[in-house]
Amino acid sequence: GPKVLQIPSHQIIDMGQMVTLNCDPVSNHLYFYWYKQILGQQMEFLVNFYNGKVMEKSKLFKDQFSVERPDGSYFTLKIQPTALEDSAVYFCASSPNQDTQYFGPGTRLLVL
Amino acid sequence: GDQVEQSPSALSLHEGTDSALRCNFTTTMRSVQWFRQNSRGSLISLFYLASGTKENGRLKSAFDSKERRYSTLHIRDAQLEDSGTYFCAAEGGSSSFSKLVFGQGTSLSVVP
Repeated sequence: GPKVLQIPSHQIIDMGQMVTLNCDPVSNHLYFYWYKQILGQQMEFLVNFYNGKVMEKSKLFKDQFSVERPDGSYFTLKIQPTALEDSAVYFCASSPNQDTQYFGPGTRLLVL
Repeated sequence: GDQVEQSPSALSLHEGTDSALRCNFTTTMRSVQWFRQNSRGSLISLFYLASGTKENGRLKSAFDSKERRYSTLHIRDAQLEDSGTYFCAAEGGSSSFSKLVFGQGTSLSVVP
């Protein structure tokens, strides 16, 4: 099936630093998403993105978070500055038309 | 907000047996998607349903078309490779743009 790639697979950083998580969505998809999964807990929606804009974000999408997809390149999630509670697995997803969402393998972020 | 209640939380099956997972929604949902999360954490999409039923090999899923308040995933003739964590995720009707609300997951273990 369609593949979404995420880079890096793992990232360890010190609290207060900036981190950028990269997502390479399926090439003809138009809708992009980030989800967060804390260890042992269920997946939670962070944000969706369409036509260069954030359409909807959840309470988990703090002011320190931002997303962009400059010129059709990677769809990125930036956290600046990071906090301990940002440690989680972050999943990117893309969809052609808001039906099936295809998920990447996740980036495991550990904030120390 | 919209809630998804998934059951059972854990399940152990002998090879060759059948079982079913269920997700109840606290409100009417537009669609449901079922995933399997493997041991590496990758989410594999199994089904997307806006109504009715879909079948793929030994898996079959149904989405209550009348009240749109529950969905089921049936596993027939369970095999060892079916082991993993299964998630349902539903898209609610209150948002213009799609976002998935995930259940808590079912940890399935298939044993010889």
